[in-house]
Amino acid sequence: GENVEQHPSTLSVQEGDSAVIKCTYSDSASNYFPWYKQELGKGPQLIIDIRSNVGEKKDQRIAVTLNKTAKHFSLHITETQPEDSAVYFCAASWYSGGGADGLTFGKGTHLIIQP
Amino acid sequence: DGGITQSPKYLFRKEGQNVTLSCEQNLNHDAMYWYRQDPGQGLRLIYYSQIVNDFQKGDIAEGYSVSREKKESFPLTVTSAQKNPTAFYLCASSTRRGGTLHFGNGTRLTVT
Repeated sequence: GENVEQHPSTLSVQEGDSAVIKCTYSDSASNYFPWYKQELGKGPQLIIDIRSNVGEKKDQRIAVTLNKTAKHFSLHITETQPEDSAVYFCAASWYSGGGADGLTFGKGTHLIIQP
Repeated sequence: DGGITQSPKYLFRKEGQNVTLSCEQNLNHDAMYWYRQDPGQGLRLIYYSQIVNDFQKGDIAEGYSVSREKKESFPLTVTSAQKNPTAFYLCASSTRRGGTLHFGNGTRLTVT
């Protein structure tokens, strides 16, 4: 089955700096890669996703890059703000529709934004 | 406002008792899921259902049971057979063939 490794487990950055979280996956058939943000005491929320026919996707301060050859993808957050503090999960899916029955999650990164 | 409601937010039980966690959605999604979250771990799939009256085991189904009698509802029962039931439980839904996972705000279960 699919195995997703996520690093680092904790990341502390100064407010205004950039943050990068990296994930690797094992199954070359995976073709859908979402990122979820979980605030304390809440459920995760999708913040951005990418499909395997695209190398990069950007949404304001957030971007995701995908390297299919190396089987890794990364989340980039620029100009970090206090509200970016949360746990971030990457995931990978082999299901053609991106259906969650095939979704494998990384173990999460606790992002801390220092004032 | 569409969403997923999990209740209660906190649940305490004595060891040896079965307990049922509620999950209701008004997003008209066909698929529903239960995940377990432990500190420092990712989300692990317990059960999922793609359609009413049908469900499949996920990666860690032992000690859990579910039912899907209505499209809107997917309750999870944590049985006494679950060896380590204390955890944060998340319910989610999605459109039947892919799409975004929508999560509830979770139920934190503590068994002593």
